[in-house]
Amino acid sequence: NAGVMQNPRHLVRRRGQEARLRCSPMKGHSHVYWYRQLPEEGLKFMVYLQKENIIDESGMPKERFSAEFPKEGPSILRIQQVVRGDSAAYFCASSTGQGNGEQYFGPGTRLTVT
Amino acid sequence: GESVGLHLPTLSVQEGDNSIINCAYSNSASDYFIWYKQESGKGPQFIIDIRSNMDKRQGQRVTVLLNKTVKHLSLQIAATQPGDSAVYFCAEKSDSWGKFQFGAGTQVVVTP
Repeated sequence: NAGVMQNPRHLVRRRGQEARLRCSPMKGHSHVYWYRQLPEEGLKFMVYLQKENIIDESGMPKERFSAEFPKEGPSILRIQQVVRGDSAAYFCASSTGQGNGEQYFGPGTRLTVT
Repeated sequence: GESVGLHLPTLSVQEGDNSIINCAYSNSASDYFIWYKQESGKGPQFIIDIRSNMDKRQGQRVTVLLNKTVKHLSLQIAATQPGDSAVYFCAEKSDSWGKFQFGAGTQVVVTP
């Protein structure tokens, strides 16, 4: 049973470009969460999605950031017009949404904005 | 606001000794907690969890203790090994749908 998959693992973008980060949840999981981690810091919640629905986006910046989880295919975190401050590791986690709701994480995408 | 925090940013442990990592939380309504391990360049890995109706839970070489009176959580690692070197996070479930808040993490360094 494959775990949470994220790609790309490393992404370099110039200021002003767009970044697209992909997340495929674990098999049987329909709930996806995106987190951002700056160096030497903990994980900061960004957004929680179920298939075709955004449940909670309270941690996501209002501008330039968007997320989706379509009926088919991976979840996408999209950052438009990237700035240097967007450089971070972005982690996706998934859960079944049942029971305690424990979340399992992917390996992350390390975004570097030059 | 509500927060999850860790007392020690770095913990140096000799191989073979036991490690204790502490975590303070402030949301008395939190009913579920997870400890994660994150190795350099990797995603957080689930270690062990505990519900608020329990005081203690044991896994393989790890034990989590929960003291709800003082809102304190700890992770004990028995016979620490070099492979235990990592950053350890506690996370509390702070919302009904499963939103987790993470502490800043404790770096555990295992020395020979």
